[in-house]
Amino acid sequence: GENVEQHPSTLSVQEGDSAVIKCTYSDSASNYFPWYKQELGKGPQLIIDIRSNVGEKKDQRIAVTLNKTAKHFSLHITETQPEDSAVYFCAAPRRGYQKVTFGIGTKLQVIP
Amino acid sequence: GAVVSQHPSWVICKSGTSVKIECRSLDFQATTMFWYRQFPKQSLMLMATSNEGSKATYEQGVEKDKFLINHASLTLSTLTVTSAHPEDSSFYICSARQGVNTEAFFGQGTRLTVV
Repeated sequence: GENVEQHPSTLSVQEGDSAVIKCTYSDSASNYFPWYKQELGKGPQLIIDIRSNVGEKKDQRIAVTLNKTAKHFSLHITETQPEDSAVYFCAAPRRGYQKVTFGIGTKLQVIP
Repeated sequence: GAVVSQHPSWVICKSGTSVKIECRSLDFQATTMFWYRQFPKQSLMLMATSNEGSKATYEQGVEKDKFLINHASLTLSTLTVTSAHPEDSSFYICSARQGVNTEAFFGQGTRLTVV
């Protein structure tokens, strides 16, 4: 089955700095890579995703990069703000999205 | 984006009783719904996958007689925790997708506490 490794498990940054979270996956058949943000006591919310036919995608302060050869993808948050503080999960569904394997999560703390 | 609603958002029940959690897709028809369990400071663990009109597929180690899943319509799936025990206390989250190769959207989760 798919194995998704995510690091770091915790990350503290000063407000305004950038944050980078990395994930690696094992299943070469994976072709869709979402990132979720989960605030305390809430369900995960999709914040950005990327498909295997592109190497990078940006949405304002958030970007995701994908290296299919190395089987890793990263989340980049620039100009971090306190409201970015949350737990972020990467995921790697198999083709058809029948099963989704989540990373362990990264607790991001943005210090004002 | 698509909206998935879970109800209740939290529930406290006595040990030995059953609890039903509802998951609704509000603005799309969900052919597939997923149920997850999340313990504190841990990741989401898939419990089962349910397709409308058919029996749910459970992950290894998940007791199907204890966690009853019904997906009777394209907008509603229910998870019933039967004979709940304190160790079943957890955060239960559903997600729903409209079709194959489409992203799934998550509900807000249900905090179950068994006392």
